[in-house]
Amino acid sequence: EAQVTQNPRYLITVTGKKLTVTCSQNMNHEYMSWYRQDPGLGLRQIYYSMNVEVTDKGDVPEGYKVSRKEKRNFPLILESPSPNQTSLYFCASSSTKPSTDTQYFGPGTRLTVL
Amino acid sequence: GENVEQHPSTLSVQEGDSAVIKCTYSDSASNYFPWYKQELGKRPQLIIDIRSNVGEKKDQRIAVTLNKTAKHFSLHITETQPEDSAVYFCAASYPGGFKTIFGAGTRLFVKA
Repeated sequence: EAQVTQNPRYLITVTGKKLTVTCSQNMNHEYMSWYRQDPGLGLRQIYYSMNVEVTDKGDVPEGYKVSRKEKRNFPLILESPSPNQTSLYFCASSSTKPSTDTQYFGPGTRLTVL
Repeated sequence: GENVEQHPSTLSVQEGDSAVIKCTYSDSASNYFPWYKQELGKRPQLIIDIRSNVGEKKDQRIAVTLNKTAKHFSLHITETQPEDSAVYFCAASYPGGFKTIFGAGTRLFVKA
């Protein structure tokens, strides 16, 4: 089954404790992206990757890191999480760039930073 | 920078009525406009999209219109049903762009 998966689905952590949210897709998509969703703000793009070893900042990249060592995986890293990073996070992928192809979203990761 | 404004933020309609959600974008080079539906606790899913070389697109009860001159596009849902209740997001992408800019979302309630 073609899908985008994320882990964990729920995470409660404390300020400053490094964490990684994994994202994996099995569709051989070139493009992957991370978004955060906050009430009243919609979905805001954090980072995106056009292909292996090619990443770039979205609109809200501060406090986040990403890597794309393999085509299928695109982990989101919070080196020192803070309470303002409490949010619902979505990973998405598309065959090529999103202006050409549909983005498919993962199930979401709800993160709480205390 | 690029911006997408979406209105209204909340919309309540009676079952069977029509619902219209409007979005305005800032970058005139934008050429792809998808609409996503997000049910409670679920992921956003594409329901319809339109490209800048088309003025209108329909898919059963859902239609999207695009006015490039005014830089706005709208989602129209006819004969609404309770299962249409969800949050709807509009978005815009531009040629060669790898970014997608989303609107803030519209929460649609369809009352039975």
